[in-house]
Amino acid sequence: RKEVEQDPGPFNVPEGATVAFNCTYSNSASQSFFWYRQDCRKEPKLLMSVYSSGNEDGRFTAQLNRASQYISLLIRDSKLSDSATYLCVVYSYGNKLVFGAGTILRVKS
Amino acid sequence: DAGITQSPRHKVTETGTPVTLRCHQTENHRYMYWYRQDPGHGLRLIHYSYGVKDTDKGEVSDGYSVSRSKTEDFLLTLESATSSQTSVYFCAISESNGVPQYFGPGTRLTVT
Repeated sequence: RKEVEQDPGPFNVPEGATVAFNCTYSNSASQSFFWYRQDCRKEPKLLMSVYSSGNEDGRFTAQLNRASQYISLLIRDSKLSDSATYLCVVYSYGNKLVFGAGTILRVKS
Repeated sequence: DAGITQSPRHKVTETGTPVTLRCHQTENHRYMYWYRQDPGHGLRLIHYSYGVKDTDKGEVSDGYSVSRSKTEDFLLTLESATSSQTSVYFCAISESNGVPQYFGPGTRLTVT
């Protein structure tokens, strides 16, 4: 079983839609969680950290469920520019960041 | 954007030749990392450095070596390139372990 698993998608949604991605992790001792965004043929860029109480940044909301060991990313009012691959990233103390393989989002007009 | 550059950005080389990739940062961050990214595998850590001359292996370190003689530079060397090392290589930096990392623009390496 992979340490971090994501549905690869692609998720094809119309502009203005709400879309959610989940990511599961296997190490219950994981301490820090992040979502990165990666555009085609570009480097990953930090989208947001994920806090235990959940957090929001504009149209993006991240949630953490430690009991079920998953994190989620909700995107509201999708824009064409949101089309990208979204990477779930997990850190466990003493280890390095572990990256999921990514979920592809395509927003269509 | 974090001040990270990678060179070269693209390289085509032949099997068996040595290759060195360079990562340069202007952020004075302590930690530097080398990853490779392949379809279906996500980003996998090759080697990382936690200070000048302090390096350690990642999950896919076989066939790779690294050196860090200055805070700002982290070199990745493929001693004898193989076709399985065709990949996109990303350098990343962070202030400490476990906090968000910031990535360079990547090097696209093709081994023929």
